[in-house]
Parts: sequence; C-alpha cells; structure tokens
Amino acid sequence: QSALTQPPSASGSPGQSVTISCTGTSSDVGGYNYVSWYQQHPGKAPKLMIYEVSKRPSGVPDRFSGSKSGNTASLTVSGLQAEDEADYYCSSYAGSNNFGYVFGTGTKVTVL
Amino acid sequence: EVQLVESGGGLVQPGGSLRLSCAASGFTFSSYSMNWVRQAPGKGLEWVSYISSSSSTIYYADSVKGRFTISRDNAKNSLYLQMNSLRAEDTAVYYCASGGSCSSTSCYPLLLGDYWGQGTLVTVSS
Repeated sequence: QSALTQPPSASGSPGQSVTISCTGTSSDVGGYNYVSWYQQHPGKAPKLMIYEVSKRPSGVPDRFSGSKSGNTASLTVSGLQAEDEADYYCSSYAGSNNFGYVFGTGTKVTVL
Repeated sequence: EVQLVESGGGLVQPGGSLRLSCAASGFTFSSYSMNWVRQAPGKGLEWVSYISSSSSTIYYADSVKGRFTISRDNAKNSLYLQMNSLRAEDTAVYYCASGGSCSSTSCYPLLLGDYWGQGTLVTVSS
C-alpha cells in the first residue's frame, strides 16, 4: 500500500480557512468511509480530529470539518488560530486485499 | 482520564530484539482492538500491527510480518509488541493507539487512534 498524497504545506492568516487534500485510490479512500485526520504538534503524539470522513470526536472544535469526493478526502480548518499550527495526517482503512491502514504523507499547516 | 503509556524502547543492534509494552487505564481496554503505529525520525506515520479485543484476530504490515508479534493481556490492561530481527529501518517512535470498539449503543469497528500513548523511541544501530 502506498502512502496517501497530501500537500507538504498549507498556510493561512488567523481567522482564515485552510483546506488540506488527501488523495488515495479506490482501494483505500475511495473504497471506504473510514478516513480519519490527525493533528500532531512537534514532539507530541497524534490527536484524532476527524473520523469516518466527517465525524468529530467530542472536544474537537467545530472549526474542523472533513469531507470526501471519490478518491480524495479533505480537511478544512476554519477560523484559523495560532494553536492550529501543526502537522496534519490523513489515514484510511485499506483492506481490499489485506487488513491495514495507510497514512498520508503529512501537511505542515502554518498560521501566518 | 484515559492513559496509554509505552515503555521498552531503547538502542539495539541490527538483528537484535526488543519488547515494547503499553499500559492502558481510564477506559475499558478489553472492549477495544489495539494497534501499534510508528514514526521514523522526521517522517510520517506508519501503521504496524492490529489485534482484536479478544486477541482472536491479528494483522501486520508487510514491512514487519514474520519479525514482529503483537499480543495483549486484558487482565493486566496491557498491549505488547515483540520485535525480532530488527533492522535500521525499524528505527522510529512507536505509539500504541486504540482501535475500534462496539457497545450496545454504538459501534466504530475500524476507528484508529481515538487514544494514543506518548510513544517510545526504538533506535536500531551498531
């Protein structure tokens, strides 16, 4: 399984919105509604922000939203805040041949 | 408060072995499947292995199949990863991460990473 493709970087000013794409194939993103997004600050463990394409765990601000179209999933962060500056990774269940998960290449979000 | 605490990482020579542990608290460990996920220095995340809540189902990434063994002890609320024949490319921070669970009211069979540990660093070098 190859890693899902994300842009290396994205940026926006406080209050603006930024959208990160996550492109896979019909064997992962396009085949299942099990896409998740994680936020990772330097030296810290990942934190689940979105699961099953568009669901938010309790405690995650509604500024974070997820969607999917075909083989591409997207994470949108609205109303950017300084604490949103972090690395973001998508993941998808990829069990068409063998059970497994595949992660995205990661996107560094910078708040200008 | 949910806690996952990994231990057992360290420096090991190529071809050597290491056993990682993950102690869980604050949630019903025995109701969750569990995973190991790793992150090489400066790199992205890689799923390593999965074990179902009852240990009846186990899966591995191709990169570790035949070398790593995942196990759990629900009585001790603990998850393990036995790593043999270690290679330089296994150098990474290893995280334990919760998997899916089902209750009487909801089911998230393939959820990955609602809970994460802080990670333990494994360095394979001579």
